[in-house]
Amino acid sequence: ETGVTQTPRHLVMGMTNKKSLKCEQHLGHNAMYWYKQSAKKPLELMFVYSLEERVENNSVPSRFSPECPNSSHLFLHLHTLQPEDSALYLCASSQDQGLAKLFFGSGTQLSVL
Amino acid sequence: GQQVMQIPQYQHVQEGEDFTTYCNSSTTLSNIQWYKQRPGGHPVFLIQLVKSGEVKKQKRLTFQFGEAKKNSSLHITATQTTDVGTYFCAGTDTGANSKLTFGKGITLSVRP
Repeated sequence: ETGVTQTPRHLVMGMTNKKSLKCEQHLGHNAMYWYKQSAKKPLELMFVYSLEERVENNSVPSRFSPECPNSSHLFLHLHTLQPEDSALYLCASSQDQGLAKLFFGSGTQLSVL
Repeated sequence: GQQVMQIPQYQHVQEGEDFTTYCNSSTTLSNIQWYKQRPGGHPVFLIQLVKSGEVKKQKRLTFQFGEAKKNSSLHITATQTTDVGTYFCAGTDTGANSKLTFGKGITLSVRP
């Protein structure tokens, strides 16, 4: 148990579906992140929130839409995804943005059909 | 942009052998972190190095930060089957918009 909880663990969706990934951290951290992990690629940073403000969007397609309603919760809303979006989506948190270590959740394994 | 390189991506060792892997950055880093991801799991933080030439040990694992702060190494003494997994390094560059960049990782398998 890392203190970062992600749901669902597995998700299969069609290209026309709308779904959301949820992340909750119980560590009192100020920064939260979404990463994408694909086979044979480095971990790709998608979004960063610091104190509930989005501070980074790494040229992520608009079919991925993050939401951070408070410092403990982070969502990733998915709409009209492509098969190449199939990957493990990892949420992470850190005390502050910057040099702090990351605590990862268990991830959501997403398959887009 | 900043690149963090880990080569090779896979390594196989016999249980009991030592193992060393390296991480190289295209830019000078303010810090470097190492993470381990077990098969089917998620990355777990192992260590952070900040000072030039810094060496830190965790039981059989030894981490070093290069003098120029552009590379790092991870050495495992007498590998065990519990060491199996993917080891990622991640570095933060020294620029104004510093962000953590991950390498592709090295997947270690250990033959019992």
